Amino acid sequence: DVKVTQSSRYLVKRTGEKVFLECVQDMDHENMFWYRQDPGLGLRLIYFSYDVKMKEKGDIPEGYSVSREKKERFSLILESASTNQTSMYLCASKPAGLKNTEAFFGQGTRLTVV
Amino acid sequence: AQSVTQPDIHITVSEGASLELRCNYSYGATPYLFWYVQSPGQGLQLLLKYFSGDTLVQGIKGFEAEFKRSQSSFNLRKPSVHWSDAAEYFCAVGAWSGYALNFGKGTSLLVTP
Repeated sequence: DVKVTQSSRYLVKRTGEKVFLECVQDMDHENMFWYRQDPGLGLRLIYFSYDVKMKEKGDIPEGYSVSREKKERFSLILESASTNQTSMYLCASKPAGLKNTEAFFGQGTRLTVV
Repeated sequence: AQSVTQPDIHITVSEGASLELRCNYSYGATPYLFWYVQSPGQGLQLLLKYFSGDTLVQGIKGFEAEFKRSQSSFNLRKPSVHWSDAAEYFCAVGAWSGYALNFGKGTSLLVTP
C-alpha cells in the first residue's frame, strides 16, 4: 500500500525556534511536495523536489527551506518560526513521467507557533 | 498557468439527498483533473481523476464527476449523501508536463439528519 508518513501529527514550537518537519515515502517516487493548508485558502505549495538534492520554490517559499538528501525523505525547515507559520502542513509525493498522476498525501502536521 | 475555482465555500445537504460540488478550471490545454476528500484532522484522499477518454468518471465511495470542456468544469456528484461524507472536498488540476497540482480553496460539506 502506498504510504507517505509525516513524523509528527502535532507540534508546538516557540517563536524563533528552528523547526524541522519530516516526510518519508515508501513508493520510490521522484517528486515530493510540501503544502500549507489554511482555512479559506486551500492548499498552497511551499516547495517541491523532483529529484535528490533538487528543489524548486512554490507559491509561498518565504520563511521556509527544504532538504532532500535521499529519495524517500523530504524535510521542510522553518529557520526561525513565527506565529504566522501556525498552520497545517501536508507532504505529498508522486511518480515522475509524462502523465501527470495523482499525488499521495501524508496525514499532515499541525504546527502551532507560540 | 493552471488554476482552479470552487465557487462554494460551504454546502449543507440532508442525508439521502443528492450532491453536486462545483469546480471550474483554467488551463490552455487538456487538463488532468482530480477530486480529493479530507476528513477532519486527516490528509487528503483521492476520490477520482480524469486524464482522457470517457468524460464521466467513477470514483470511490459512490462519487462520480463529469468533465465538460465547453464549460471548463469538473463537477463532483453523488446521488445519495451519507453522514460520513461530511468533509472538505478539494478539486485540483495538473499539467501534462508539470510537477505539482494546483488546488482550489475547497468546499466544506455538512450533512444534516
